[in-house]
Amino acid sequence: EAQVTQNPRYLITVTGKKLTVTCSQNMNHEYMSWYRQDPGLGLRQIYYSMNVEVTDKGDVPEGYKVSRKEKRNFPLILESPSPNQTSLYFCASRSTGGGSRVLFFGEGSRLTVL
Amino acid sequence: AQTVTQSQPEMSVQEAETVTLSCTYDTSESNYYLFWYKQPPSRQMILVIRQEAYKQQNATENRFSVNFQKAAKSFSLKISDSQLGDTAMYFCALISNFGNEKLTFGTGTRLTIIP
Repeated sequence: EAQVTQNPRYLITVTGKKLTVTCSQNMNHEYMSWYRQDPGLGLRQIYYSMNVEVTDKGDVPEGYKVSRKEKRNFPLILESPSPNQTSLYFCASRSTGGGSRVLFFGEGSRLTVL
Repeated sequence: AQTVTQSQPEMSVQEAETVTLSCTYDTSESNYYLFWYKQPPSRQMILVIRQEAYKQQNATENRFSVNFQKAAKSFSLKISDSQLGDTAMYFCALISNFGNEKLTFGTGTRLTIIP
């Protein structure tokens, strides 16, 4: 089954404790991206990657890091989480070939930073 | 820059009725794609419908259809014969900068279908 898998789905952590949210897709997509969703703000892009070893900042990259060492994986790293990073996070991917531009989303990761 | 505006934070409608969700956008590009995504209580983001800007014909998917007004930069979603399962948050989204392939979302409309 074609899917984007995120882990963990739920996480409660404390300020300053490094964490990683993993994201993996099995569709051989070149493009991957991370979004955060906050009430009243919609989804905002954190980082994106056009292909292996190619990453760039989105609209709200502060406090986050990413890496793209393999095509299928795109982890989101919070080196020193703070309460303002409490949010719902989505990983997404799609192919850059063809014209559909449809983004496939993971199921979301609910992060709470105390 | 590209922007998406959804001016209706919440809406409700009786089951079996028709409802229209509004979306306006702005982009300087001539070629772009517009989407409606549905987010039910499960939080999953589900594609509802897609419209390519160069296609004049409005997209339809079963009970879902759009009214795409390119000159007015408007992209509304019409849900016919609404069902309880349509209760969800609906997001309008735009991609026009194919350099970074960013999908820009509106703030969402929470739709409740009343039995």
